[in-house]
Amino acid sequence: DQQVKQNSPSLSVQEGRISILNCDYTNSMFDYFLWYKKYPAEGPTFLISISSIKDKNEDGRFTVFLNKSAKHLSLHIVPSQPGDSAVYFCAARTSNFGNEKLTFGTGTRLTIIP
Amino acid sequence: EAQVTQNPRYLITVTGKKLTVTCSQNMNHEYMSWYRQDPGLGLRQIYYSMNVEVTDKGDVPEGYKVSRKEKRNFPLILESPSPNQTSLYFCASSLKGTSGRAFTYEQYFGPGTRLTVT
Repeated sequence: DQQVKQNSPSLSVQEGRISILNCDYTNSMFDYFLWYKKYPAEGPTFLISISSIKDKNEDGRFTVFLNKSAKHLSLHIVPSQPGDSAVYFCAARTSNFGNEKLTFGTGTRLTIIP
Repeated sequence: EAQVTQNPRYLITVTGKKLTVTCSQNMNHEYMSWYRQDPGLGLRQIYYSMNVEVTDKGDVPEGYKVSRKEKRNFPLILESPSPNQTSLYFCASSLKGTSGRAFTYEQYFGPGTRLTVT
């Protein structure tokens, strides 16, 4: 049962335009959401996060939006740059008696076209 | 430089031959974790450790063992590897916050170990 879903395996965007990556989840117990970025032959790196009590978090060119009623998360990158080409993973956190767990989506490969 | 290191980076082995993948972090992190990445399945947690001598199962622990004897090291052990354990493995670590809870949202990942079991 995939609790965190990224339904688009790949996305191509023109340089300078907006990239929108989407993520859906099913577990109402998730209390924190994150985006990780992964380049080939490297480990994922943390990009941006949002608490379940907020609906938006912004960091430079990156903005994450959370729609709790729809159980939907999105990452906006504006403007898109060639260095943004990578695989992006959405992740969600649950906490249970001090034990915290991250559940990852399957990833979306973003390609920025120069 | 703050980092998580894994060794080896690439490994080809045969079914049943015990192997260990090492993981070490130099950030004094208390929380450490192992993941495997497979096509179409994303990153799935194998085992995690909240502190020295404290480990627990993740989503896919079958066929794996871990130990946490020191804070900086968290080796992954495959006692009898099988072809379905062919995968890309990542070790990760994160800080423990002042509340006593690990801030898993800022996990630092190692570069990955690509394992092939024939």
